[in-house]
Amino acid sequence: AQSVTQPDIHITVSEGASLELRCNYSYGATPYLFWYVQSPGQGLQLLLKYFSGDTLVQGIKGFEAEFKRSQSSFNLRKPSVHWSDAAEYFCAVGDSSYKLIFGSGTRLLVRP
Amino acid sequence: GAVVSQHPSRVICKSGTSVKIECRSLDFQATTMFWYRQFPKQSLMLMATSNEGSKATYEQGVEKDKFLINHASLTLSTLTVTSAHPEDSSFYICSAAQGLSSFSYEQYFGPGTRLTVT
Repeated sequence: AQSVTQPDIHITVSEGASLELRCNYSYGATPYLFWYVQSPGQGLQLLLKYFSGDTLVQGIKGFEAEFKRSQSSFNLRKPSVHWSDAAEYFCAVGDSSYKLIFGSGTRLLVRP
Repeated sequence: GAVVSQHPSRVICKSGTSVKIECRSLDFQATTMFWYRQFPKQSLMLMATSNEGSKATYEQGVEKDKFLINHASLTLSTLTVTSAHPEDSSFYICSAAQGLSSFSYEQYFGPGTRLTVT
């Protein structure tokens, strides 16, 4: 069965520091992979997605993610975090019927 | 573009009553809508998928008679929680998709509805 694991429940970084959020997936075929951000009172917003091609994907708000098939990972990165990046981040894998299976989320806290 | 709204944002109801949550795609036609449930500090769990004009497809373990889903138009889907109980208290999120294919997988999410059953 498909699954997504986000091993870090919370991550705290200082403003201006780099960020990496981990995501591992389990899926039999070539996965469709997504990163979403959820801010209080707002819907989930798509940061980036990977379908095929270049394994380094650029997204909005300065985020990028790298698909590594050998490690079944799709980690999200940002070189310099801003206070406004504090939110909940979800990794998801899409299955063949276009359903999304979400990880448990990582809450990002940003120190001033 | 691609805005999805939900109404109400918060609702409190008494045990045994029913409550309806609306999900609207404001600037596009949504052929498919999804309903999710999110428990505190947990992930989104898909409850059901609805296509306009068709019966919803429910995920395993979701009671279709308890969670009634209607997708009567291309811009509106409703979730009715019937005979609500305190264990139904949760955050309900809908998403809408314009047309799903291998090249277009994108779902647009509403802001969610916090249901509290007393």
